[in-house]
Amino acid sequence: GAGVSQSPRYKVAKRGQDVALRCDPISGHVSLFWYQQALGQGPEFLTYFQNEAQLDKSGLPSDRFFAERPEGSVSTLKIQRTQQEDSAVYLCASSSPFGGIYEQYFGPGTRLTVT
Amino acid sequence: AQSVAQPEDQVNVAEGNPLTVKCTYSVSGNPYLFWYVQYPNRGLQFLLKYITGDNLVKGSYGFEAEFNKSQTSFHLKKPSALVSDSALYFCAVRAGGFKTIFGAGTRLFVKA
Repeated sequence: GAGVSQSPRYKVAKRGQDVALRCDPISGHVSLFWYQQALGQGPEFLTYFQNEAQLDKSGLPSDRFFAERPEGSVSTLKIQRTQQEDSAVYLCASSSPFGGIYEQYFGPGTRLTVT
Repeated sequence: AQSVAQPEDQVNVAEGNPLTVKCTYSVSGNPYLFWYVQYPNRGLQFLLKYITGDNLVKGSYGFEAEFNKSQTSFHLKKPSALVSDSALYFCAVRAGGFKTIFGAGTRLFVKA
């Protein structure tokens, strides 16, 4: 693919439901980031993968948030027992070759609304 | 604490005039600095970065930014604004480890 893709683009969940958000990074990109962007704010770091290894998960707001990248390509962000405060746009970005020194390529985001 | 500040929520400029979008930062050690732009209904796009070297860096679409270590600033500039430059601009800094911290964003309006 030409860029980072995310699915679904929009997700409405009832409070208490589990959701799974998918990210397909640019082929060959080693680094993958997840961010949470609240309305009117900048993206906030959630977690970072280098290949399949989750090297930094310091930004995950609670143990209800879980991310994986089992084969070092596609990544899934899972939110269990969603709460209203989880409503936000979730952004995925990939980068090459390592770390955050180089520019990140962002997907269009998944807008999550918890009702 | 490491942080990025964009002191202006909105910047208005007339087409053809120079524009500046301000950014200041606070990090430990040497900063890696970035500017991203977000157009309506589109993802964030990379504009430019400062890693090391010349304090003036040039990026996409005629934008440039000046790194000022003493003032801990990384202001985004363009000599002549276009209406199509109207968008939301984010300054970002690489903090310790792999975390990138973004500012809250500045909305740029360029009037014809």
